[in-house]
Amino acid sequence: NAGVTQTPKFRVLKTGQSMTLLCAQDMNHEYMYWYRQDPGMGLRLIHYSVGEGTTAKGEVPDGYNVSRLKKQNFLLGLESAAPSQTSVYFCASSPGGQGADTQYFGPGTRLTVL
Amino acid sequence: AQSVTQLGSHVSVSEGALVLLRCNYSSSVPPYLFWYVQYPNQGLQLLLKYTSAATLVKGINGFEAEFKKSETSFHLTKPSAHMSDAAEYFCAVRTTGGFKTIFGAGTRLFVKA
Repeated sequence: NAGVTQTPKFRVLKTGQSMTLLCAQDMNHEYMYWYRQDPGMGLRLIHYSVGEGTTAKGEVPDGYNVSRLKKQNFLLGLESAAPSQTSVYFCASSPGGQGADTQYFGPGTRLTVL
Repeated sequence: AQSVTQLGSHVSVSEGALVLLRCNYSSSVPPYLFWYVQYPNQGLQLLLKYTSAATLVKGINGFEAEFKKSETSFHLTKPSAHMSDAAEYFCAVRTTGGFKTIFGAGTRLFVKA
């Protein structure tokens, strides 16, 4: 099993450009998440999904959109990138349910917006 | 709303010394609590989790944590630090019935030879 994979690993954008980050999991997990990690701020939830075709806003959703057309994939889009979106982005998945649900993380995407 | 506070953004110990990373949580309902570890340039991975089955939880690599409801704490310990323990550690909380997990700001552990 590959677990959770993220594409690309690195990206540099200019202000105003758009891009899509792809997350894929092969564990048949129901829930998927997108986080951003910034120094001293831990992980902040951008959007999440509790099943195919469903998405919901997290803590910091502004400037991002997501889609979950297939159970195994969760896409994060930046329509018009801003320097404030320079960060490391992590995708995670979990089996789902409302118990002590362990999250499995991808290796991250380092995004720089100039 | 639940929250997590990790005391100390950086902790430095000598190899062989006790590791103690502090975590306090706030939750109006019984929580699920987690410790995750992040090695350089990698994603997070689970160290251990509290599910109410036992207050002392043992995890991987010799780490353990104790849930203390009266102190709203879930501190992480390891009796003897190893150089390979150098990483960033995140405490996290999820409430029963919740969909989201809230992460603390993280504590970076340095291990000196």
